[in-house]
Amino acid sequence: AQRVTQPEKLLSVFKGAPVELKCNYSYSGSPELFWYVQYSRQRLQLLLRHISRESIKGFTADLNKGETSFHLKKPFAQEEDSAMYYCALTRHQGAQKLVFGQGTRLTINP
Amino acid sequence: KAGVTQTPRYLIKTRGQQVTLSCSPISGHRSVSWYQQTPGQGLQFLFEYFSETQRNKGNFPGRFSGRQFSNSRSEMNVSTLELGDSALYLCASSFTISHLGDQYFGPGTRLLVL
Repeated sequence: AQRVTQPEKLLSVFKGAPVELKCNYSYSGSPELFWYVQYSRQRLQLLLRHISRESIKGFTADLNKGETSFHLKKPFAQEEDSAMYYCALTRHQGAQKLVFGQGTRLTINP
Repeated sequence: KAGVTQTPRYLIKTRGQQVTLSCSPISGHRSVSWYQQTPGQGLQFLFEYFSETQRNKGNFPGRFSGRQFSNSRSEMNVSTLELGDSALYLCASSFTISHLGDQYFGPGTRLLVL
């Protein structure tokens, strides 16, 4: 069965400090991993996906198949990063079915 | 281009009633997925449609159904509503059914069952 775990419901850091949002997954096949973000009063939107290996808004995420993790990191947090973050996976071949984690609410304190 | 639109945005129903929610995808997108979001269960996949065919289904009872029209617009229906069906229902559209296609989410329809 596919499962995504985000162990922290809430995460609070100071502006300028490093941020790491944890995501662990369980899936027997080869998954595709994503991070979605929802800013206050906005729609859920894709932040980044592991297959692209890109940095968006200073965030990066590395897929660690050995530890089955896909943690989201940013070296210097900014106040506008405050949002709800969801880790999600889908199977590698076909299908748009996303399995989401429970989400982590990130608050950046000034 | 216009984003994914969902109607209605808010809905109040009573137990036993049925409800139909509508989703208009981004122009050119042919894949539509539906998700239920609740505080307890989080975001859960309901079903996915592509070219008017249901391609994937989540673990929801048969009271939850959907369809897609030739213009890619989609509707989902919930019959015999229960209190636990109160949730935010999100629709997402994508150009392709492939996992590589970015999903764009709508604002959601908030359903309250009394």
